[in-house]
Amino acid sequence: EAGVTQSPTHLIKTRGQQATLRCSPISGHTSVYWYQQALGLGLQFLLWYDEGEERNRGNFPPRFSGRQFPNYSSELNVNALELEDSALYLCASLHQGNRVEKLFFGSGTQLSVL
Amino acid sequence: GESVGLHLPTLSVQEGDNSIINCAYSNSASDYFIWYKQESGKGPQFIIDIRSNMDKRQGQRVTVLLNKTVKHLSLQIAATQPGDSAVYFCAENFYGGATNKLIFGTGTLLAVQP
Repeated sequence: EAGVTQSPTHLIKTRGQQATLRCSPISGHTSVYWYQQALGLGLQFLLWYDEGEERNRGNFPPRFSGRQFPNYSSELNVNALELEDSALYLCASLHQGNRVEKLFFGSGTQLSVL
Repeated sequence: GESVGLHLPTLSVQEGDNSIINCAYSNSASDYFIWYKQESGKGPQFIIDIRSNMDKRQGQRVTVLLNKTVKHLSLQIAATQPGDSAVYFCAENFYGGATNKLIFGTGTLLAVQP
């Protein structure tokens, strides 16, 4: 069974450009989470999608947005890129059951803003 | 764990020794705790979880200890192997709370010396 897949693995952009990151959850998972991991820091919650709807967002400006498609895959869009947006962006899908909640993470997209 | 900017706390151990990675959590009301392992170039991987009605839980070569009195969590790895080299994150939440409320620590780098 395939895990969470993200593309591209690396993305290089310049300030002011827009970036689109993609994620496919594990088959059968309907919830997708996006996290930002800046170098040397922990994971900061960005966005949560479930059943095609945005359920919650973290403390990030509106230029961070996304969507979830009918097949539960998701896109993260970052507009008007700034240097401090350089980070590893991780997508995760959620397994719930038997009093356990497990996030399964992809390998991430490394975004570099020059 | 405390944020240390770009410098992750590092634990260096000899292969075959036991490792203990510590984490101080922030919310006394948290009742669900998880340890994740993140290898270089990969997303975080679930290791083990524990609920607040327990103070110890064992997995394969790993043990998690919970001290609610001082809000402290630790991960013990027995007979540490080179493949254990990674960044380890603790995370806290309410069980049944929205997973987007999962709070990750900044991580500890475990370096296993051959």
